[in-house]
Amino acid sequence: QKEVEQNSGPLSVPEGAIASLNCTYSDRGSQSFFWYRQYSGKSPELIMSIYSNGDKEDGRFTAQLNKASQYVSLLIRDSQPSDSATYLCAVNSGGGADGLTFGKGTHLIIQP
Amino acid sequence: NAGVTQTPKFQVLKTGQSMTLQCAQDMNHNSMYWYRQDPGMGLRLIYYSASEGTTDKGEVPNGYNVSRLNKREFSLRLESAAPSQTSVYFCASSEAGWDYEQYFGPGTRLTVT
Repeated sequence: QKEVEQNSGPLSVPEGAIASLNCTYSDRGSQSFFWYRQYSGKSPELIMSIYSNGDKEDGRFTAQLNKASQYVSLLIRDSQPSDSATYLCAVNSGGGADGLTFGKGTHLIIQP
Repeated sequence: NAGVTQTPKFQVLKTGQSMTLQCAQDMNHNSMYWYRQDPGMGLRLIYYSASEGTTDKGEVPNGYNVSRLNKREFSLRLESAAPSQTSVYFCASSEAGWDYEQYFGPGTRLTVT
């Protein structure tokens, strides 16, 4: 069973600080990685995708991937109260019924 | 563009009743997916359609059937609802396959009593 692990939180971060969300995965053959944001009662919303080792930046968000360590993270700079949500990590392990495995999510709270 | 739309938003069924959840996308995507989300379980794949005319089972297909009606529409049918199927159901689509970003619909909250 391919696994994606996230700390469930809650992770509490002061407004304006950097929020760091982490995800580890079990399948070394995983090829693509996604971060989704989900507000309570809403559907997952894609934030970032990352396919290669290193950093990928988009506005206040930076995704970091380290395939050797089987680790992917999401940094949120200048955190805002509107960033308070559950963040889901999703990993593609190569298609088929196992194709995209989601972690259970980290609940992030930005404190004003 | 509406993106991915789902109907209905909410539904209550009695055990043994049947229903179909509808999903449509206007992004000209080839692949479509049905997930369920339960507290503490995360998102789990029920069925997917890699392209028009094909469907395949996901992690939790028992008790469900699907139809890829055309490129835009992918429906999920519960033939005989059970309380274990109480969940939030999400439809998603992607350009083509697992490497591509998936975009989710607003969800259907289903309660089976």
